[in-house]
Amino acid sequence: EAQVTQNPRYLITVTGKKLTVTCSQNMNHEYMSWYRQDPGLGLRQIYYSMNVEVTDKGDVPEGYKVSRKEKRNFPLILESPSPNQTSLYFCATRKGVGVGYTFGSGTRLTVV
Amino acid sequence: GENVEQHPSTLSVQEGDSAVIKCTYSDSASNYFPWYKQELGKRPQLIIDIRSNVGEKKDQRIAVTLNKTAKHFSLHITETQPEDSAVYFCAASKGWKLQFGAGTQVVVTP
Repeated sequence: EAQVTQNPRYLITVTGKKLTVTCSQNMNHEYMSWYRQDPGLGLRQIYYSMNVEVTDKGDVPEGYKVSRKEKRNFPLILESPSPNQTSLYFCATRKGVGVGYTFGSGTRLTVV
Repeated sequence: GENVEQHPSTLSVQEGDSAVIKCTYSDSASNYFPWYKQELGKRPQLIIDIRSNVGEKKDQRIAVTLNKTAKHFSLHITETQPEDSAVYFCAASKGWKLQFGAGTQVVVTP
């Protein structure tokens, strides 16, 4: 079954404590992306990757890092989380241009 | 870059009535327009999409129309049912970049 797996589903952390949200896909897609979802703002792209070792900033990259060492994995790293990064995060993959995303199940992050 | 505006932000309809959500985009080079449905606590899921060489596409009770000249596209849901209650997102894409609208909360009341 084609899947995009995110972990954890829920995370409460304190300001400044480094964390990583993992994303793994089994569809052999080259393109992967991270979005954050906030009420009234829709889905905003944080970072994307077009292939292994190729990553680039999206619309709201400040405070986030990513890496793409393997095709299937695209972790999101918050080196020093702050309360304004409290949000719902989605990892997503696309097979190609002109097709839709498959989203992961989401990670609800709360930074206190 | 691309800017996608979506209206209305909330939409309340009676079961059996139709619902229409409208989106406008700014980049005339955008050529792919997907719509996503997100139920409460779930991930967004693709429900229908349209490409710029097509003016209308239908799938059972949902349809999407595209007006390239005016740079707007719309989602139409007919004979709404309670299970249509969700947040709907439009998006516009040029190449790899996909820009989402802010979403429409649709509530279908019995």
